[in-house]
Amino acid sequence: QSALTQPPSASGSPGQSVTISCTGTSSDVGGYNYVSWYQQHPGQAPKLMIYEVTKRPSGVPDRFSGSKSGNTASLTVSGLQAEDEADYYCSSYAGSNRLFGGGTKLTVL
Amino acid sequence: QLVESGGGLVQPGGSMRLSCAASGFTFSSTWMSWVRQAPGKGLEWVANIKQDGSETNYVDSVKGRFTISRDNGKNSLYLQMNSLRAEDTAVYHCVRGGTNFAYWGLGTLVTVSS
Repeated sequence: QSALTQPPSASGSPGQSVTISCTGTSSDVGGYNYVSWYQQHPGQAPKLMIYEVTKRPSGVPDRFSGSKSGNTASLTVSGLQAEDEADYYCSSYAGSNRLFGGGTKLTVL
Repeated sequence: QLVESGGGLVQPGGSMRLSCAASGFTFSSTWMSWVRQAPGKGLEWVANIKQDGSETNYVDSVKGRFTISRDNGKNSLYLQMNSLRAEDTAVYHCVRGGTNFAYWGLGTLVTVSS
């Protein structure tokens, strides 16, 4: 049950786009379309931003988008805004298990 | 809304029962999960339970020590934790969903220390 692999940090200037990767295996990310992404601001509970690879819950801005290729999923944040600065975690279905990535700290420069 | 309770300080080897009170949605219609976050660390899925309680799943590190359960009549989720270890120290979040973690409670802190 190894965690999914995310870069520890990412950054971009306001208005730019940034992409965060999430790498797993064929037993998790690559095997199912059940990858989700969560945003967590300091001291707050995580918030679902993307589910089932590409779907956005109601209320999540369309600046957030998800994709997957093989064993790697990605979250893209377009038109970066100051409030997007947060920790981002990916998660994947893995049969009877659920896996999280180690998290990526997104900094808006 | 999801409100956790029952956390606190416990000695290694001890037990603790966490509770989660759910409101604002049809509790009996959704999978539920516990996800934990050690201080300054990332998220770790702990366990989930099917709508009627007939299926449960656990991360390997807690199998045989933790038990997830629910009472749909009381709109409540529970986590019984036995043989606690220092590495179980974390904020435990009650989460709506079994795979897509749609809504999270603020969590309750469990500290395992002598």
